[in-house]
Amino acid sequence: GEDVEQSLFLSVREGDSSVINCTYTDSSSTYLYWYKQEPGAGLQLLTYIFSNMDMKQDQRLTVLLNKKDKHLSLRIADTQTGDSAIYFCAETADSSYKLIFGSGTRLLVRP
Amino acid sequence: DAGVTQSPTHLIKTRGQQVTLRCSPKSGHDTVSWYQQALGQGPQFIFQYYEEEERQRGNFPDRFSGHQFPNYSSELNVNALLLGDSALYLCASSDGTDTYEQYFGPGTRLTVT
Repeated sequence: GEDVEQSLFLSVREGDSSVINCTYTDSSSTYLYWYKQEPGAGLQLLTYIFSNMDMKQDQRLTVLLNKKDKHLSLRIADTQTGDSAIYFCAETADSSYKLIFGSGTRLLVRP
Repeated sequence: DAGVTQSPTHLIKTRGQQVTLRCSPKSGHDTVSWYQQALGQGPQFIFQYYEEEERQRGNFPDRFSGHQFPNYSSELNVNALLLGDSALYLCASSDGTDTYEQYFGPGTRLTVT
């Protein structure tokens, strides 16, 4: 089946690192994504990783993929107040065009 | 370089009415996908249009239909609106040959009363 799960809420202090976690069930997942949504806005594509990779780094963002455990994480280094938003994990399966999203993790960055 | 645009921004309709939402893809993209995002949830895939045809459909009733025009813009139509259709409707565009990068518009907030 297709299911993506995330924890609901994360609170960190400004300047600390944030780690947002996601698990998925579809073993045929090909791409895994992280999107950011600010209040009242659409989704911003932050980064994505192909399923044959273990890690991808892009400036302050690091994505780790454990394919055996079907676990994806997003680490944000030096978290800023502007990083406060809802973060969605998503996947696409082989031969499918649709994105399957989790319910989102609300990140609150405290000054 | 214009990103994905959607219109209108907000819409209020009455139960039983019909609604049409519009989307223009990012420059260079030829594929449009539509998603429904209920409050507090992640987006749910409605369908995807490529080469003016529905290429894939999610688990939505036939009340939800769409169209893609030769300029790649797209419409989402919802008939016989229900209260449960109240949501943020998001359009995403991509390149038909590399659909793994989907870029979203700001959405249309539909309220059904």
